[in-house]
Amino acid sequence: DQQVKQNSPSLSVQEGRISILNCDYTNSMFDYFLWYKKYPAEGPTFLISISSIKDKNEDGRFTVFLNKSAKHLSLHIVPSQPGDSAVYFCAASARDYKLSFGAGTTVTVRA
Amino acid sequence: EAGVAQSPRYKIIEKRQSVAFWCNPISGHATLYWYQQILGQGPKLLIQFQNNGVVDDSQLPKDRFSAERLKGVDSTLKIQPAKLEDSAVYLCASSRDRVRETQYFGPGTRLLVL
Repeated sequence: DQQVKQNSPSLSVQEGRISILNCDYTNSMFDYFLWYKKYPAEGPTFLISISSIKDKNEDGRFTVFLNKSAKHLSLHIVPSQPGDSAVYFCAASARDYKLSFGAGTTVTVRA
Repeated sequence: EAGVAQSPRYKIIEKRQSVAFWCNPISGHATLYWYQQILGQGPKLLIQFQNNGVVDDSQLPKDRFSAERLKGVDSTLKIQPAKLEDSAVYLCASSRDRVRETQYFGPGTRLLVL
């Protein structure tokens, strides 16, 4: 069963604008959330994470927001750049530290 | 620091044949993971090693899949016999430890079973 869902398979955004990627989860035991970025023919690379004790974590142009009551998290990229064009995976883990991944969202940044 | 290495990068086999994938993790990383990523889905954990011991293999189809990690470093994942539904990218990842450490992924092996 899919415990982590990314309902938008793709997102197109103009360079310089904000990209907002969404992720929903069903397992209330998840307490650690991550975003990975993947370029074609490469493995996923870690982007940013957030613990359930926080509701926001920021790293440069990337900010992750966590809404525990809604079991929802989002990734904001501001401003979007052409190099941000990639597939973004949301992932979550509980105390067993096993990562459950969403299906990914393909972001295309238009010049 | 060298990243996670995997080989081969691509493999095409016929159903019922066998295939093996190799992974060399980042030096000093105690934990090694094998994931299966089917087209259009996110990576799914198959097996996790801590040094050379298996921590979790609950999602490994043990009737056809096997994996080992010799001397707590390199690892091989084998499929015998392969089925059409095994067509996927097989990703290897490693981390310093299993407790909330960042996982570093290799480029993956793309397997096509005909």
